[in-house]
Formats: sequence, structure tokens, C-alpha cells
Amino acid sequence: DAGVTQSPTHLIKTRGQQVTLRCSPKSGHDTVSWYQQALGQGPQFIFQYYEEEERQRGNFPDRFSGHQFPNYSSELNVNALLLGDSALYLCASSLEVQVSNYGYTFGSGTRLTVV
Amino acid sequence: QKEVEQNSGPLSVPEGAIASLNCTYSDRGSQSFFWYRQYSGKSPELIMSIYSNGDKEDGRFTAQLNKASQYVSLLIRDSQPSDSATYLCAVDPNTGNQFYFGTGTSLTVIP
Repeated sequence: DAGVTQSPTHLIKTRGQQVTLRCSPKSGHDTVSWYQQALGQGPQFIFQYYEEEERQRGNFPDRFSGHQFPNYSSELNVNALLLGDSALYLCASSLEVQVSNYGYTFGSGTRLTVV
Repeated sequence: QKEVEQNSGPLSVPEGAIASLNCTYSDRGSQSFFWYRQYSGKSPELIMSIYSNGDKEDGRFTAQLNKASQYVSLLIRDSQPSDSATYLCAVDPNTGNQFYFGTGTSLTVIP
């Protein structure tokens, strides 16, 4: 049973560039959430996708956008990269009706470095 | 602003001892609480969830919840060096959507 898979694992971008991160949820899961984890901090909620719609958004600017595909996989796009966007980006999947009981399953993350 | 507070540590315990990790939260309406373990450079993995006041045991781990005090804790009995990691407390404010995480407590188990 495949867990949550993310790609790429590491990425180095220049300020002002755009980046796309990808996530395939755990088999059977239908909900994908994205979190940003800066060094030494807890994960911060970016947004959640369910039924191909953004259902909730955290306190992140519009430079952060996403998409969910019919197969439940998801993309996170960040435009006009800033040095402060350097972080570990975590994809978390769940089954919508069970998330409050069973929490999220996290992928291994994408380490983004902006230079 | 929903806040989750943890003592960042580092917390050091000898092998075989009990490690006690604490977490407080601000949203009194929160219903579900989770403890995640995160090894350095890795992603968080779920250890335990708890929803009802009292204790919940799973192997060497015991989660304790006190909603009146807005306090949740994790006890690790017979601590092992492999338990050395950062432990994240996560709170679900009953939406099933946005979880709020603390900054984590770094635990080191000394052989």
C-alpha cells in the first residue's frame, strides 16, 4: 500500500522564479492538505483540497496556489519566490470522513531552497 | 488566532526512563488531538490520537487529555535511543481541515 508520495525531494530556485510541487495521496485517501515547515518550526497550513476544490486556506498569500486532479493527486504552485519561502513543504492526505479521528498521513516532503 | 504551545526543549532523559511531553491549546472548542514524531530531516509520523478526557495507552505511549485545562500530554515509558526525535502536538478545531501544530519538543534519550 503506497503511502503519500511527493516530488521532487529537493529543489533549488532563484528569487522571483516559480515552482510546482507534486503529491500523490495514500491509496484510498481523497483529501490533500499542504503544509509549510520552516526550520525549527511546526508545520503551517497552506490549504486543503477536496473534490478538486480548495476547501480551506491558511494565512498564505495568493502567490501560493494549488490544484487537485480527478485521481486525487495535487500540485502546489508558488509564484515570485522569496527567500522566506525556503522550507520543507509537506503534503498530507486523509479520508475526508476520517480525518478528525485518524489525522493525516504525511509525505516525505519537498525541501525548497530559494537563493 | 488558534495557538498550540509546546516547550521546545531540548528534553533529555536516560534510557529506560519516562519522558513527559506537554502541550497546551487556546481553542476551547477543539475536539481531536494528535501527537506526531518527526526525526531530523524526515516528515511527521502519527503516534497517537486522543479525543476524550483521560488517558489513552498504546504500547509504551500514553496520551493524556484534559479539556477543562486545555492540556494534552504524551508519556513515553521505557524510553529508547530510537525515541530521540521532535514531537509535534497537533490540534483539530473540529473542522477536519486545518490542523494547528506546535513548534515541537526535541527529545534526546541518552543510552
